[in-house]
Amino acid sequence: GAVVSQHPSRVICKSGTSVKIECRSLDFQATTMFWYRQFPKKSLMLMATSNEGSKATYEQGVEKDKFLINHASLTLSTLTVTSAHPEDSSFYICSASGRAGEQYFGPGTRLTVT
Amino acid sequence: QQQVKQSPQSLIVQKGGISIINCAYENTAFDYFPWYQQFPGKGPALLIAIRPDVSEKKEGRFTISFNKSAKQFSLHIMDSQPGDSATYFCAASGIQGAQKLVFGQGTRLTINP
Repeated sequence: GAVVSQHPSRVICKSGTSVKIECRSLDFQATTMFWYRQFPKKSLMLMATSNEGSKATYEQGVEKDKFLINHASLTLSTLTVTSAHPEDSSFYICSASGRAGEQYFGPGTRLTVT
Repeated sequence: QQQVKQSPQSLIVQKGGISIINCAYENTAFDYFPWYQQFPGKGPALLIAIRPDVSEKKEGRFTISFNKSAKQFSLHIMDSQPGDSATYFCAASGIQGAQKLVFGQGTRLTINP
């Protein structure tokens, strides 16, 4: 149980385009999902907290207009990187929170912006 | 106050040995302490977690020791195997609702065969 999926696992896009990443909790309902960014050999950096049916809460320094988050259902949250630039290239990971508050992570999405 | 400090940054252990990773926190409001294991190119996987009402929790070869007064907790991996080679992250959060995790800096563990 407690499986979280992400799609796509890898994506390459051109500078200036937008890319959407999906995060799904497959076997449980997640009222809260989190989006992280991870640089090579570094820890996870929380970008935003997403609650079903409400606006996401962004961490300081994260541009909400650039990283659009939608949490339309209890099992799906999406992150859209708008007008992507090479510096947005990173490993993006989502997590979903279970009833007891524990977080289960997705497998991550490697974004490369050319 | 929100930081979780993790050490060592990297660790090399011989096969069959005990791997020990330590974490310390400041915020006494934290009451949920998970450990995650991450392989290259993969998302973190929840390994084991503890709440402060117990001082130790064991699951297979993995044990968390928790010292509430010292605000420290550690992960012990017994009989370490090459397959345990990964990056390990400690974290902390509150349990009231789904609160965000504060992560340690990570420890790259290498188990030599």
